[in-house]
Amino acid sequence: AQSVAQPEDQVNVAEGNPLTVKCTYSVSGNPYLFWYVQYPNRGLQFLLKYITGDNLVKGSYGFEAEFNKSQTSFHLKKPSALVSDSALYFCAVRDETSNTGKLIFGQGTTLQVKP
Amino acid sequence: NAGVMQNPRHLVRRRGQEARLRCSPMKGHSHVYWYRQLPEEGLKFMVYLQKENIIDESGMPKERFSAEFPKEGPSILRIQQVVRGDSAAYFCASSPDREETQYFGPGTRLLVL
Repeated sequence: AQSVAQPEDQVNVAEGNPLTVKCTYSVSGNPYLFWYVQYPNRGLQFLLKYITGDNLVKGSYGFEAEFNKSQTSFHLKKPSALVSDSALYFCAVRDETSNTGKLIFGQGTTLQVKP
Repeated sequence: NAGVMQNPRHLVRRRGQEARLRCSPMKGHSHVYWYRQLPEEGLKFMVYLQKENIIDESGMPKERFSAEFPKEGPSILRIQQVVRGDSAAYFCASSPDREETQYFGPGTRLLVL
């Protein structure tokens, strides 16, 4: 079965420091991977996606993610965290078994950036 | 280009009542997905629709839940005879094609008393 795991419920970093939010996946074929961010009482905002090509994907708000096939990971990164980055982050993979484009989400990781 | 619109943003129902959640996709998007987010959990797929067709409803409970996406107007997720366990945030996402990125609405937060 296809799945996504976010091993950390919460990540704490100091403003200005680099941040990493981890994601690992399990799929039967080539993965289509996504990161979304959710601010309190808001919908999900698309950050970036990996379909094919370069393993380092750049997205919105200075975020990037590195696709690592051997480790089946797609960690989200940012070189210098901002307090305003504090939010709930979701990793997702497209379900390729159904051919409908539906997404399978991880449990989410709360990022807390302290000033 | 307006984003995905959902209304109402908050909905309170008593047990046994009906809940109707509406979703207007982004302009030019004909593919709609509904997801449910239970408290302290990630999003779970419920149903995928194209105009006038339900394509995949494998994530939607067989009883009390239904969805439609008519030729004209928004997509509707309908929950009949709500129970406390239906309390959740319901998100709609749209895309121009099932291969394309899904963009999410702000969600409807349903509270069943």
